[in-house]
Amino acid sequence: GAGVSQSPRYKVAKRGQDVALRCDPISGHVSLFWYQQALGQGPEFLTYFQNEAQLDKSGLPSDRFFAERPEGSVSTLKIQRTQQEDSAVYLCASSARRGLAYEQFFGPGTRLTVL
Amino acid sequence: QKEVEQDPGPLSVPEGAIVSLNCTYSNSAFQYFMWYRQYSRKGPELLMYTYSSGNKEDGRFTAQVDKSSKYISLFIRDSQPSDSATYLCAMSEYTGGFKTIFGAGTRLFVKA
Repeated sequence: GAGVSQSPRYKVAKRGQDVALRCDPISGHVSLFWYQQALGQGPEFLTYFQNEAQLDKSGLPSDRFFAERPEGSVSTLKIQRTQQEDSAVYLCASSARRGLAYEQFFGPGTRLTVL
Repeated sequence: QKEVEQDPGPLSVPEGAIVSLNCTYSNSAFQYFMWYRQYSRKGPELLMYTYSSGNKEDGRFTAQVDKSSKYISLFIRDSQPSDSATYLCAMSEYTGGFKTIFGAGTRLFVKA
């Protein structure tokens, strides 16, 4: 079957614009994670969903960042009033397991550039 | 100080060499230890995971965890040019929880 897909793959935004990044997890996976990966760094945890419930959003850097997964499948990460420091690759991962984080399957990421 | 420290490299080795990649960490609550491989412009893919201390072998790859020293290693035997990638160590606590902490990644180049 298909892996995790993300769209768009590349996004260029002007500072102050709102953006929405989409993640389609592997079908049936209950856990979904969002990460932010800056250039030359490892992924940094943003938020976690178990089905439609957002159980951990402690990694979201500010209240401009918002994530949802209303039907427990597709997820959207929204960034309002983008800033240059938001430029990064945003990775989505899904897992068939609840909670335990080691069997994550990652998507290719969305590369966001804020001008 | 970061929770997980990893030398970013780059590390350049000839084909066939044994590669040693390492991470240190400060959080003694970490119980799950993972190694991911990431090719350019791709998402990370899981290579190996280990629970608690010990060794685990899978083909040309061996993962070691020394919790007393807070040190983990990944060894690659008979390295191939196709192994050229960034290798990320990652760790998480056994709380049913959700947060995985990644190292910065080591860039590896295997020369033919």
